[in-house]
Amino acid sequence: DAGITQSPRYKITETGRQVTLMCHQTWSHSYMFWYRQDLGHGLRLIYYSAAADITDKGEVPDGYVVSRSKTENFPLTLESATRSQTSVYFCASSESSSSSYEQYFGPGTRLTVT
Amino acid sequence: KNQVEQSPQSLIILEGKNCTLQCNYTVSPFSNLRWYKQDTGRGPVSLTIMTFSENTKSNGRYTATLDADTKQSSLHITASQLSDSASYICVVSAPRGGYNKLIFGAGTRLAVHP
Repeated sequence: DAGITQSPRYKITETGRQVTLMCHQTWSHSYMFWYRQDLGHGLRLIYYSAAADITDKGEVPDGYVVSRSKTENFPLTLESATRSQTSVYFCASSESSSSSYEQYFGPGTRLTVT
Repeated sequence: KNQVEQSPQSLIILEGKNCTLQCNYTVSPFSNLRWYKQDTGRGPVSLTIMTFSENTKSNGRYTATLDADTKQSSLHITASQLSDSASYICVVSAPRGGYNKLIFGAGTRLAVHP
């Protein structure tokens, strides 16, 4: 049971480049989330998706684009990377938006923008 | 100002000793309070979930307490092991529109030394 996976695990890119981070889950969870984690800060929500073709902004969506054509995949694209987007990115999934349901996190992608 | 504040930022203890981590929050209303463990280079993993009506919840050597009146929670680790070395994150779940938003603290980094 693979669970939730992210790729790549590490990425170095240059300012202005487009980069896509991949997230795949095998549980058929309806909800998927993208967070970023920066030193000294808690995880912050970038975008989330309630189902295929349904996405919505989180706390810090500027500079990011998401899509969800299939339930199991939720890619995050940085259209023109900036140094401030250097961070660790976590994807998560959940069966439901109900508060009693767990969010399960992937292993993270460490992105460095030079 | 962060809505979820954790203390201390970091802590070093000797193997076999107990420790207590603190979390103060200002989020209102809230659905539940969670404690996550995050190993280095991994995604967060849930330890406990408590609703506002629960005072304590245990998971093995981990015991979480919640005082909804004072908006404080603590995570007590008993008989620490080297494998307890990790960041511990306090998370408050709050209803926001169509989903339950997770509001993350910055975490307490625990190092257990032999």
